[in-house]
Amino acid sequence: QMQLVQSGPEVKKPGTSVKVSCRASGFTFSYSSVQWVRQARGQRLEWIGWIVVGSGNTNYARNFEERVTITRDTSTSTAYMELSSLRPDDTAVYYCAAEGSINAYNLWGQGTMVTVSS
Amino acid sequence: EIVLTQSPGTLSLSPGERATLSCSASQSVRSGYLAWYQQKPGQPPRLLIYGASSGAPGIPDRFSGSGSGTGFTLTISRVEPEDFAVYYCQQYGSSPQSFGQGTKLEIK
Repeated sequence: QMQLVQSGPEVKKPGTSVKVSCRASGFTFSYSSVQWVRQARGQRLEWIGWIVVGSGNTNYARNFEERVTITRDTSTSTAYMELSSLRPDDTAVYYCAAEGSINAYNLWGQGTMVTVSS
Repeated sequence: EIVLTQSPGTLSLSPGERATLSCSASQSVRSGYLAWYQQKPGQPPRLLIYGASSGAPGIPDRFSGSGSGTGFTLTISRVEPEDFAVYYCQQYGSSPQSFGQGTKLEIK
């Protein structure tokens, strides 16, 4: 079946970087696009950016564009989100979401908890 | 950047009642690229409606979406006990994409 599986939880020091992966299966990954979204505890969903898998084109939210890089590896059907210069307020659950069989984000990963603490 | 404002912040209803949730955009949403999601605690969001009015696969038909331009509505015809959750709208027609702040549907 169509699914996205994300990498496991991370604990990072302030100022370092984290790279979260999102592996797709059960659909044609190269025809899709993938967005990354985060959610701090009890807070709203926050859009980080997206990548069009086929072309590799990306677009980032203004709040993240200087610190985030989204990439993909079509050979392994995996998307990546790397966030640098981490701060304690980057502590959140990070989700990837992809277009599966429809032109909308109907597939979501299980979420990756990233904790930033000294 | 398109700002989405959802109302009300909290909606208190009893099972069987009709729920109407609103999402207002600061600019016109291109081609109706407006989605609605349901999120329960500890779970990722679940797509309910896309393209403003199309039901996602597997979603019960008590969920419906309408609207265009800057005003959109999610309607639950008869609220079931499993529908109590937080609902978000998202516009994905213009970059940067954006989410509303959410509406919590709670049991009255």
